[in-house]
Amino acid sequence: KAGVTQTPRYLIKTRGQQVTLSCSPISGHRSVSWYQQTPGQGLQFLFEYFSETQRNKGNFPGRFSGRQFSNSRSEMNVSTLELGDSALYLCASSLAGGADEQYFGPGTRLTVT
Amino acid sequence: KQEVTQIPAALSVPEGENLVLNCSFTDSAIYNLQWFRQDPGKGLTSLLLIQSSQREQTSGRLNASLDKSSGRSTLYIAASQPGDSATYLCAASYNTDKLIFGTGTRLQVFP
Repeated sequence: KAGVTQTPRYLIKTRGQQVTLSCSPISGHRSVSWYQQTPGQGLQFLFEYFSETQRNKGNFPGRFSGRQFSNSRSEMNVSTLELGDSALYLCASSLAGGADEQYFGPGTRLTVT
Repeated sequence: KQEVTQIPAALSVPEGENLVLNCSFTDSAIYNLQWFRQDPGKGLTSLLLIQSSQREQTSGRLNASLDKSSGRSTLYIAASQPGDSATYLCAASYNTDKLIFGTGTRLQVFP
């Protein structure tokens, strides 16, 4: 069974631009979560989607948004990029969220210059 | 506030040693506790998942325990190898569909 895939793996953007990251969950998984990892803040929860609905959202500004499609693939978008958005963005999938085991993708390394 | 803490932050041991990594959580109403491994610049690899009703889980040389009453979990690595060098993260799951991560323990096993 294929694992969680994320594209692109690396991105370099300029301040003020926007970016879209993609995540394909493990086949059969309906829950997708997104996390931001930085050296200073560690791993922080962005949001979680289940059956195309956002069920939970972390403490991030409205510039961070996401969506999930009917095939469970998910995208997250960051608008008006800031230098502080430079991070490793990880997505995780699980069967239904909650107490289910989470499986992470390799991440997208975003650098904002 | 739900918080997860890991001690020590870094650990360097010679090959062959048995070692214990610690994870503490402030809210004992967890759904489960998951241990991950992260290699530099990479994603997270799930190592062990302990449901709230369980006391421990084992996989090969790894054994993880969970004590909800004391708010602690430990990851035991037997006969450590240089290939075990990585950052180990624990994460607690509550009724909010998100994981709350500790800050990790950076492990180096030298030959």
